[in-house]
Amino acid sequence: AQSVSQHNHHVILSEAASLELGCNYSYGGTVNLFWYVQYPGQHLQLLLKYFSGDPLVKGIKGFEAEFIKSKFSFNLRKPSVQWSDTAEYFCAVSPSGGYQKVTFGTGTKLQVIP
Amino acid sequence: SAVISQKPSRDICQRGTSLTIQCQVDSQVTMMFWYRQQPGQSLTLIATANQGSEATYESGFVIDKFPISRPNLTFSTLTVSNMSPEDSSIYLCSGDGGRGEQYFGPGTRLTVT
Repeated sequence: AQSVSQHNHHVILSEAASLELGCNYSYGGTVNLFWYVQYPGQHLQLLLKYFSGDPLVKGIKGFEAEFIKSKFSFNLRKPSVQWSDTAEYFCAVSPSGGYQKVTFGTGTKLQVIP
Repeated sequence: SAVISQKPSRDICQRGTSLTIQCQVDSQVTMMFWYRQQPGQSLTLIATANQGSEATYESGFVIDKFPISRPNLTFSTLTVSNMSPEDSSIYLCSGDGGRGEQYFGPGTRLTVT
């Protein structure tokens, strides 16, 4: 079975600072990778996804993530955060091929200070 | 994408009672999922619900405690039975968007007293 690890539980940044949230997974085969975001009072929504191809994927609101297969990582980045990026971010993984269970990380709470 | 709604959005229930949570999708989806999200913890999958068949439960979750219905491709219910305070949590439903992508509902915040 796969597992996901998010190392940062709570991150506090000032506006305009750069963001990188770590995500590592364990699974022996090919995977689909996701970042979801939950803004305060809102439901979980997809931020970006990786299925195959270019390992650098771009999502909504200026976020991007890079899949590094050799490191089993899928870190989320944003060059300059805004106060509106305050939210909880979840990394998720599922094995490729057909329907496979999605496993979520424990989440990282990002607080952006104006 | 799909839009998912859940009812109720929150409830306070007494121990020993049951609560049924409804999940409605605005388009047809093959699979729907029920999760539990406890404060400070990740999403824990309770079960996967396919239309026309019994739900598939994850380890630690049983049908007697969390019966699920999936009468059609746009609707599902989760019942939390014989509740105890340990069942206090946020319950989320989601619909399958293909290849692992999921669309989530707003959640039901359950408090058991």
